[in-house]
Amino acid sequence: NAGVTQTPKFQVLKTGQSMTLQCAQDMNHNSMYWYRQDPGMGLRLIYYSASEGTTDKGEVPNGYNVSRLNKREFSLRLESAAPSQTSVYFCASSARSGGGYYTGELFFGEGSRLTVL
Amino acid sequence: GENVEQHPSTLSVQEGDSAVIKCTYSDSASNYFPWYKQELGKRPQLIIDIRSNVGEKKDQRIAVTLNKTAKHFSLHITETQPEDSAVYFCAASLYNQGGKLIFGQGTELSVKP
Repeated sequence: NAGVTQTPKFQVLKTGQSMTLQCAQDMNHNSMYWYRQDPGMGLRLIYYSASEGTTDKGEVPNGYNVSRLNKREFSLRLESAAPSQTSVYFCASSARSGGGYYTGELFFGEGSRLTVL
Repeated sequence: GENVEQHPSTLSVQEGDSAVIKCTYSDSASNYFPWYKQELGKRPQLIIDIRSNVGEKKDQRIAVTLNKTAKHFSLHITETQPEDSAVYFCAASLYNQGGKLIFGQGTELSVKP
């Protein structure tokens, strides 16, 4: 099992360009997340998807859109990149146990380092 | 929404000493509190977690305590070793919010041999 796979690992964009970060998990998890990590700011939640067919805003959703394509895949799109979106992006997934309880553990991808010039 | 504050931002200890990292949360309804460790250049990984119906949980050299009244929880690492050097993140969530996890700002722990 590969776990959580995200692509690309590195990307340089110019201001105003668009791009999509792809994420796929092979653990049959229901919930998926996108976080960004900036020095001194911890991991901030951009969007999450509690289950296939649903998406919700996190702490810092402005400038981003997401698509839960199917149970395995959750993509993050930057429509018009800005220098403030320079960051390391992590996709993560988690399982749900029976009765809708969240099991607790997030499994993260390796991260995607995005630079916007 | 939930807000998690974490202190200190950096912590340096001698090998063998104990390290304590503290977090406070704002939403009294939060009931799940995990801790993640992130080594340099790696992805975060869960090291221990606690649910609100438990006051303390231990796993070998690490332990987490929770004070629901004061809305704070702490990570304790005893007999620190150089391989404990990493960034540690606390987090909080409601179990029925699709696992929406809000993280603290992180603590960079350095263990000096």
